[in-house]
Amino acid sequence: EVQLVESGGGLVQPGGSLRLSCAASGFIFSNYAMYWVRQAPGKGLEYVSAISSNAYSTFYANSVKGRFTISRDNSENTLYLQMGSLRAEDTAVYYCARDHYDFWSGYSAHWGQGTLVTVSS
Amino acid sequence: EIVMTQSPATLSVSPGERATLSCRASQSVSSNVAWHQQKRGQAPRLLIYGASTRATGIPARFSGSGSGTEFTLTISSLQSEDFALYYCQQYNNWPYTFGQGTKLEIK
Repeated sequence: EVQLVESGGGLVQPGGSLRLSCAASGFIFSNYAMYWVRQAPGKGLEYVSAISSNAYSTFYANSVKGRFTISRDNSENTLYLQMGSLRAEDTAVYYCARDHYDFWSGYSAHWGQGTLVTVSS
Repeated sequence: EIVMTQSPATLSVSPGERATLSCRASQSVSSNVAWHQQKRGQAPRLLIYGASTRATGIPARFSGSGSGTEFTLTISSLQSEDFALYYCQQYNNWPYTFGQGTKLEIK
């Protein structure tokens, strides 16, 4: 069974940093592109970042470019999102999601339960 | 960035009736559209990809159509568990983008 478990969320002050993790199991992690998608309270969904299976390619939403860094450790089956210069508008539930196929498809059938990041003083 | 616009924002339908949800892309996305269902407090659930292919385990009452800039999700006979939020998503160009959602509520 595919499982994705996010951790690392919490309360952080504006301008602060936080690192999210997503522990993956039940599939060959190194074969799949991965995504971070966020959802602000009461709002819609937004793709934040994406990373290819071998980590050679990374992509970012304009809203986080230069502040967030996506990475992965295929030996530890873990996806990361390093978030810096955090702003109030970064407050959201952050989901990690696995690409549907073991080639880059662009959509996900497997999502974690999400971790809440709150940026507030 | 491609903007996905969903209509209506809220759709009120009686159980057993048909629901039709629309999604328009600001430029052509070919057939690279997915539909997701989300219930309160839960992660999204993939329903449709490739504009018209049902994901594994999705009931046949869910169907998708369209290409280019106009897309439709149809639920043929609404069940109680279908009342939820629905999002379309394009994956033709990064950044992948979602519509703002359609809330399907019981009439």
